[in-house]
Amino acid sequence: AQTVTQSQPEMSVQEAETVTLSCTYDTSENNYYLFWYKQPPSRQMILVIRQEAYKQQNATENRFSVNFQKAAKSFSLKISDSQLGDTAMYFCAFMKGNYGGSQGNLIFGKGTKLSVKP
Amino acid sequence: NAGVTQTPKFQVLKTGQSMTLQCAQDMNHNSMYWYRQDPGMGLRLIYYSASEGTTDKGEVPNGYNVSRLNKREFSLRLESAAPSQTSVYFCASSSSRTQYFGPGTRLLVL
Repeated sequence: AQTVTQSQPEMSVQEAETVTLSCTYDTSENNYYLFWYKQPPSRQMILVIRQEAYKQQNATENRFSVNFQKAAKSFSLKISDSQLGDTAMYFCAFMKGNYGGSQGNLIFGKGTKLSVKP
Repeated sequence: NAGVTQTPKFQVLKTGQSMTLQCAQDMNHNSMYWYRQDPGMGLRLIYYSASEGTTDKGEVPNGYNVSRLNKREFSLRLESAAPSQTSVYFCASSSSRTQYFGPGTRLLVL
């Protein structure tokens, strides 16, 4: 069975600075996807970034980037130039590849609460 | 384009009452999911539907039933609500590699 671990329950960062959120996972699969979702106080789950395991290049989306270390089973999220609107819970999630519907569900970590301070 | 919609947004039930949470998506996705989120936890899968006409249990299915009414709609039913089912419920639908979530339903069972 797959597991996802986020070891930082809470973090804080000053506005405009950079912060890194950690995530490790355990799987015997070789083909899978990793995600970071953001959940602001509105509770909406918002996709931040996605990484395909078969891609060596780290995914980036504007101020958000990941450090994907497949051998170490590590998938950290870096937020650059932090903004007040980045304040939210951040969840790391895993999905098996070979997607055929039956394996498409996400396995979530417990989340990291990020506070961006002015 | 509404994406994934859920009704109601908030509901209070008494122990033993029944209710159905509704979910609809307009993205023509085959797969749909129901998750619950409890304090200090990530989301956990209750049931999913890989395609119209099929449903399967997830990690925490006890006390729930689902119906995939058509390709757009996937409902979650609590036949006899219990306080342990107090939670926030999320519906999601997916393309081949990404899940998109609805806004959630907050359920309180007294």
